Amino acid sequence: GESVGLHLPTLSVQEGDNSIINCAYSNSASDYFIWYKQESGKGPQFIIDIRSNMDKRQGQRVTVLLNKTVKHLSLQIAATQPGDSAVYFCAESYAGANSKLTFGKGITLSVRP
Amino acid sequence: DVKVTQSSRYLVKRTGEKVFLECVQDMDHENMFWYRQDPGLGLRLIYFSYDVKMKEKGDIPEGYSVSREKKERFSLILESASTNQTSMYLCASLVGGGHQPQHFGDGTRLSIL
Repeated sequence: GESVGLHLPTLSVQEGDNSIINCAYSNSASDYFIWYKQESGKGPQFIIDIRSNMDKRQGQRVTVLLNKTVKHLSLQIAATQPGDSAVYFCAESYAGANSKLTFGKGITLSVRP
Repeated sequence: DVKVTQSSRYLVKRTGEKVFLECVQDMDHENMFWYRQDPGLGLRLIYFSYDVKMKEKGDIPEGYSVSREKKERFSLILESASTNQTSMYLCASLVGGGHQPQHFGDGTRLSIL
């Protein structure tokens, strides 16, 4: 299991660079995955989702990649901007979960000007 | 856009008080959820509801109850508040059926003194 701590892992990137945020999941039955962004003082905001019948999905400046073989999910942000600074969560669900999501602990993205 | 509104952004209560946290969504969603968010622990599901007057326990229901008398409103109740219930509380809603993203409110930061 994951260790519990007060501080989230942090990814620091230069403004304009691409960011890659990674997430490992453990439930091989999971078939739906979501990325959320949470800015300070706000609730999680939906970014992009992907179903297990796909391995890649693109949105505006974001791409989600799914590797079911190694149970790994990643979020790529192109041309990272200061407004992208936030905590990012991955979440997973499966067919029998009654729409419940299991969330990762989160990663802080810090964008350097 | 889906709007999930939590009645209070900040709340301070005393140990032993009965505390009500209110959540309203405006999209006629069947499913509603209450989470608490603590540093290093991520989002943990307290209770959820998939229809009026229906409720199910999540992962950490102890010390909490819920009420869903109307489809748009889902209330979280701390029967006798304790200091270990100091946390950020997040409400989410979701249209029923199939895999869809949950939509979150901006949270209530509750302090129990």
